[in-house]
Amino acid sequence: DAKTTQPPSMDCAEGRAANLPCNHSTISGNEYVYWYRQIHSQGPQYIIHGLKNNETNEMASLIITEDRKSSTLILPHATLRDTAVYYCIVRAGNTGKLIFGQGTTLQVKP
Amino acid sequence: EPEVTQTPSHQVTQMGQEVILRCVPISNHLYFYWYRQILGQKVEFLVSFYNNEISEKSEIFDDQFSVERPDGSNFTLKIRSTKLEDSAMYFCASKRAEGGNTIYFGEGSWLTVV
Repeated sequence: DAKTTQPPSMDCAEGRAANLPCNHSTISGNEYVYWYRQIHSQGPQYIIHGLKNNETNEMASLIITEDRKSSTLILPHATLRDTAVYYCIVRAGNTGKLIFGQGTTLQVKP
Repeated sequence: EPEVTQTPSHQVTQMGQEVILRCVPISNHLYFYWYRQILGQKVEFLVSFYNNEISEKSEIFDDQFSVERPDGSNFTLKIRSTKLEDSAMYFCASKRAEGGNTIYFGEGSWLTVV
């Protein structure tokens, strides 16, 4: 699976949009971009995933660049409960496991 | 919304004892996983299981570990003779089918070996 690079930490003001970047310059054509988050020591929570088109669901939006070498997770109106570690993971469609990196620790501040 | 459930939420065991961690995956899922997270470290893949056999395992998953699907609903992780370094949060996860399907995680079982 392709490796990803994320900033170790970010801050965001409550109510503002949180934009979390991820670089995956070695991604290949059959690999999806997945985002999970882990609040405190709870189980990783699925947020969103995409292949090449931008995606939106009730939690977040995922913007993937045209060359697919980077992506941005957008939490449109961050709340204190969004404080968590956010993981960007690239996974081929025909493989099972997810490989977690260190992720980005997002701190939402009042 | 269906979810992966794990028991116990926390277990304390003596070094050398056997431990079984239990998981009930989401009901129509076919692929099952165990991950672990040592305090302050990354979430690490242990093993994946499909069609009643291990499909992939990491180098962490040595002979002390085993997995089983004893019936149609449970998926277990057994640690034969626990060591201090097995203290970690263990996450079970499941996925419906092949392809780019989403993997869903349980809330974890915290194992403390003393």
